[in-house]
Amino acid sequence: AQSVTQLDSQVPVFEEAPVELRCNYSSSVSVYLFWYVQYPNQGLQLLLKYLSGSTLVKGINGFEAEFNKSQTSFHLRKPSVHISDTAEYFCAVSGSGSARQLTFGSGTQLTVLP
Amino acid sequence: EAGVTQSPTHLIKTRGQQATLRCSPISGHTSVYWYQQALGLGLQFLLWYDEGEERNRGNFPPRFSGRQFPNYSSELNVNALELEDSALYLCASSGGLAGGETQYFGPGTRLLVL
Repeated sequence: AQSVTQLDSQVPVFEEAPVELRCNYSSSVSVYLFWYVQYPNQGLQLLLKYLSGSTLVKGINGFEAEFNKSQTSFHLRKPSVHISDTAEYFCAVSGSGSARQLTFGSGTQLTVLP
Repeated sequence: EAGVTQSPTHLIKTRGQQATLRCSPISGHTSVYWYQQALGLGLQFLLWYDEGEERNRGNFPPRFSGRQFPNYSSELNVNALELEDSALYLCASSGGLAGGETQYFGPGTRLLVL
């Protein structure tokens, strides 16, 4: 079984400051890792993904994440946030074969303050 | 390229009725996933279809069912609606069993059960 823990339910940060949203996962097999963003009253938009290869992955809107297998983490970072980054961010994990469905963390509400 | 589409956008039903939600995947995608996002319960996996077959099912009662059509579109049916079925239902599609690790989401159908 897989599980995902997002350690912070809410993260307030001032505009142009850096931000890190934390994600830890648990799995007995190799996994694929994802970050999605959800704006109010919308579906989920893929920010970035780790499938294999380089552990540092870059996504849209200036976000990046680093896969750390020894610490089972996949933290999301952005060096300078904008007001428009205010949204809910979800970390997710999936397996292979019949375990292709996503298991999500509980989400982190990022609020960017002026 | 068109993304995942879902209909209707909103659906209002009364307890005991049946609801039918529809999803059209990205062109070329053969897998469709359904997720429930209920207040306080987070994002939970419901069903996964690929090539017309049910591949996996989440921990939901049998009154949640669905199917996938030859054109890969999908329907989610919820029978005997209960108040706690009120939620945002999200559909996602991917490239299927061969290399389809990444899921892309639609805008969702918001179901309200009165």
